[in-house]
Amino acid sequence: DSGVTQTPKHLITATGQRVTLRCSPRSGDLSVYWYQQSLDQGLQFLIHYYNGEERAKGNILERFSAQQFPDLHSELNLSSLELGDSALYFCASSATSGRSGEQYFGPGTRLTVT
Amino acid sequence: TQLLEQSPQFLSIQEGENLTVYCNSSSVFSSLQWYRQEPGEGPVLLVTVVTGGEVKKLKRLTFQFGDARKDSSLHITAAQPGDTGLYLCAGSPSNDYKLSFGAGTTVTVRA
Repeated sequence: DSGVTQTPKHLITATGQRVTLRCSPRSGDLSVYWYQQSLDQGLQFLIHYYNGEERAKGNILERFSAQQFPDLHSELNLSSLELGDSALYFCASSATSGRSGEQYFGPGTRLTVT
Repeated sequence: TQLLEQSPQFLSIQEGENLTVYCNSSSVFSSLQWYRQEPGEGPVLLVTVVTGGEVKKLKRLTFQFGDARKDSSLHITAAQPGDTGLYLCAGSPSNDYKLSFGAGTTVTVRA
C-alpha cells in the first residue's frame, strides 16, 4: 500500500459525458501528479500540482483539467469524453516540490468510455 | 519517439534463469528510477540511481546507472514467478522538468 488513494476504482460512462477522478496523496506529500496509461501510449504525464499550485503540464488535453485543494487532495476533470479517453488514470505523490522521480502511485481509476 | 527506450519489450523465462532489461536514451539524466507494475495496479518504486556508474542491489535485483548517465540496466538473478510484471524506467533529463517513462518491459517468469 503506497498510501495514495484514488476513487473510484472503475468508471464506465458514455461519450460526451464529464467525470471527476479523485486522489488523496500520502500523508505529508505536497506534490500530486496525474498520469494516463493506455495500451498504445504507455504511461503519459498529464499535470503536476504542488501545494495547490500548478507546476508543470504534460500531454494534457484542453478537455481535461485538474486542481489541488487546500487539504491537498486533487481532482482530475475529464469532459466531452471520447472513446479514446478510455484508459487507466493514475495519481502519484511525492514529498518534493521540484522534479522528482521518486513518486508513489495510487491504485488507479479505470475509465471506460462507451 | 520515446525519450527512454526500453529493451526488450517482452521477456519470458523459466524460473531460476537470469535476465537483464535495458533502458537507453540520448539525453543525460540527473537520476533514473525503476518501477515495477502488476496488472491493474499502480507502479511501485524499486530504486533510484543518481551517480554515473552507480550499482545498487535489492535482493536478487541489481541496478546499474551508466557512466554517462544516459542509460541504465536491471539484472535479475535466479528469477522467480513473483518477479513477473511490467518493469518501467523513468527519469527527467537534465534540461527538462517533466518525468518521462519508458514503454516498459513485460517480464514473465514461468514456474
